[in-house]
Amino acid sequence: KQEVTQIPAALSVPEGENLVLNCSFTDSAIYNLQWFRQDPGKGLTSLLLIQSSQREQTSGRLNASLDKSSGRSTLYIAASQPGDSATYLCALLDSNYQLIWGAGTKLIIKP
Amino acid sequence: GAGVSQSPSNKVTEKGKDVELRCDPISGHTALYWYRQSLGQGLEFLIYFQGNSAPDKSGLPSDRFSAERTGGSVSTLTIQRTQQEDSAVYLCASSSAPGETQYFGPGTRLLVL
Repeated sequence: KQEVTQIPAALSVPEGENLVLNCSFTDSAIYNLQWFRQDPGKGLTSLLLIQSSQREQTSGRLNASLDKSSGRSTLYIAASQPGDSATYLCALLDSNYQLIWGAGTKLIIKP
Repeated sequence: GAGVSQSPSNKVTEKGKDVELRCDPISGHTALYWYRQSLGQGLEFLIYFQGNSAPDKSGLPSDRFSAERTGGSVSTLTIQRTQQEDSAVYLCASSSAPGETQYFGPGTRLLVL
């Protein structure tokens, strides 16, 4: 059974720092991997999607990597801003098109 | 439409009542997904539609839960004889095809008293 783990569960850093959020998974047979952000009381926003055959994706200050062999993905946020404060969720799409979710990392960027 | 919409945004019901939650996917999206996020817990997959068909219903928590999709568009999630443990945020997502980026609606917050 696929298990997705996100470390750390919470992170607080000063504005301007670069940071890395981690996601690990137990089964490398994935269709793709998505990173989402969830703001309090709001829905989910897709940030990046990495297909199984890809190694990384970039969007603005965000870069996500995927290493299936080691069961790891990272989300790199450059030059963090207070508006980046949210919960970041990693989710894997399995062969049944089910998204298997991590518990999330709650990120706080201090002004 | 511009995005995925869900209704109602909030629903308070009494234990034992039936509730129906609605999802309008992005126009043209063939795949539609339902998830549940319980307080203090992670997201849980419920069911997925490709067109009007649901290939896998194993994620539904019990036989009190059912879902349908008509016309390859709107979907409804019905919970019969609601229980307090059904209280959660129910999220709907759609994608242009299975495996493509899923876009989420704002969710329906269900509270069962």
